Amino acid sequence: DAGVTQSPTHLIKTRGQQVTLRCSPKSGHDTVSWYQQALGQGPQFIFQYYEEEERQRGNFPDRFSGHQFPNYSSELNVNALLLGDSALYLCASSLITGLAGVLDEQFFGPGTRLTVL
Amino acid sequence: RKEVEQDPGPFNVPEGATVAFNCTYSNSASQSFFWYRQDCRKEPKLLMSVYSSGNEDGRFTAQLNRASQYISLLIRDSKLSDSATYLCVGRRDSSYKLIFGSGTRLLVRP
Repeated sequence: DAGVTQSPTHLIKTRGQQVTLRCSPKSGHDTVSWYQQALGQGPQFIFQYYEEEERQRGNFPDRFSGHQFPNYSSELNVNALLLGDSALYLCASSLITGLAGVLDEQFFGPGTRLTVL
Repeated sequence: RKEVEQDPGPFNVPEGATVAFNCTYSNSASQSFFWYRQDCRKEPKLLMSVYSSGNEDGRFTAQLNRASQYISLLIRDSKLSDSATYLCVGRRDSSYKLIFGSGTRLLVRP
């Protein structure tokens, strides 16, 4: 059973460029969340996708956008890159169950390390 | 003020020692709490959930004090393999996002 996978593992971009990061959730999961982890900090929530829609968003500018596909995989896009966008980008998948929409445990992928020069 | 705060450490302890990490949270709306473990340059992995009644998993004991808005993790008989960063995490029942502390780094020496 494959866990959460992310690509690429590493990426180097320059300021002003655009980047797309990809995530495939764990088998059976329908929800994908994206987090940004700066060096020495805990992960910060960017947004979550469920049923191909952005369900919740953290305190990130509109330069950060995403998409979820019918197969539940997801992309994170960042436009007009800044030096401060250098971080580990983590994708977490989970399953929303029951009428109350309870979120089960979130499983993290290995992340994409983005360096902006 | 951060919503979840932790002592960054590092905690440097010998093998076999008992070590305790503390975490405070500022938003009483946080209802669920967890401890995650993150090895160097790896992804966070769930270590255990935290319940008000306290819960234990082998050498690990977690405790939640809602009155003091305080969470703890106790590791007994530390192993070299316990060396990692331990992240305190909260989540509100009305939300799906996890709120992470900055992490506490543990180094267990031979």
